[in-house]
Amino acid sequence: SQQGEEDPQALSIQEGENATMNCSYKTSINNLQWYRQNSGRGLVHLILIRSNEREKHSGRLRVTLDTSKKSSSLLITASRAADTASYFCATDAKGTYKYIFGTGTRLKVLA
Amino acid sequence: SAVISQKPSRDICQRGTSLTIQCQVDSQVTMMFWYRQQPGQSLTLIATANQGSEATYESGFVIDKFPISRPNLTFSTLTVSNMSPEDSSIYLCSVWGQGKAKNIQYFGAGTRLSVL
Repeated sequence: SQQGEEDPQALSIQEGENATMNCSYKTSINNLQWYRQNSGRGLVHLILIRSNEREKHSGRLRVTLDTSKKSSSLLITASRAADTASYFCATDAKGTYKYIFGTGTRLKVLA
Repeated sequence: SAVISQKPSRDICQRGTSLTIQCQVDSQVTMMFWYRQQPGQSLTLIATANQGSEATYESGFVIDKFPISRPNLTFSTLTVSNMSPEDSSIYLCSVWGQGKAKNIQYFGAGTRLSVL
């Protein structure tokens, strides 16, 4: 079964607005990663956040991690049409070596 | 980062046949991972392939259906056997990064399989 669940399942916003996606997981983790996938192609790694970190930034991306709630969020600021994609979180549970993916959020940014 | 090449990028196959997908990495890696992504769904881990040993399969996946080879530290193959339309998916190969990127998992572009 999948480790994580994401919400919303789908999100449609206007260009320039911010997009927030949430990921919840079930067990203690070492790391959490966010990926982007365009039109069913390969996955592009966005950000990795470790279990002892609470927030990370990369350009227009901001990721937070709350291990007490077993949840993470990805914020994309000032969205662009090119941000239209599916976004997935992935976690590697403590004691394992493999990443399990969440259900994903389909983001559509309207020009 | 790791550069991962997958072949073929896509294929259309008849039911009952088998397809072998190749994954080549630009550096030596201990573990290689195979994922399946069914239409409109997330990624599901099929198995982990280590060089010199049998692959470790996740629940719901068996070696007879998805045999995996790992002949060296830069290459692996996944075969989808006796295909049915339900096997239509994207199959992705993945490896861990190295050095500062060792906790990041990198993916190939995937193989889009359609079974008629």
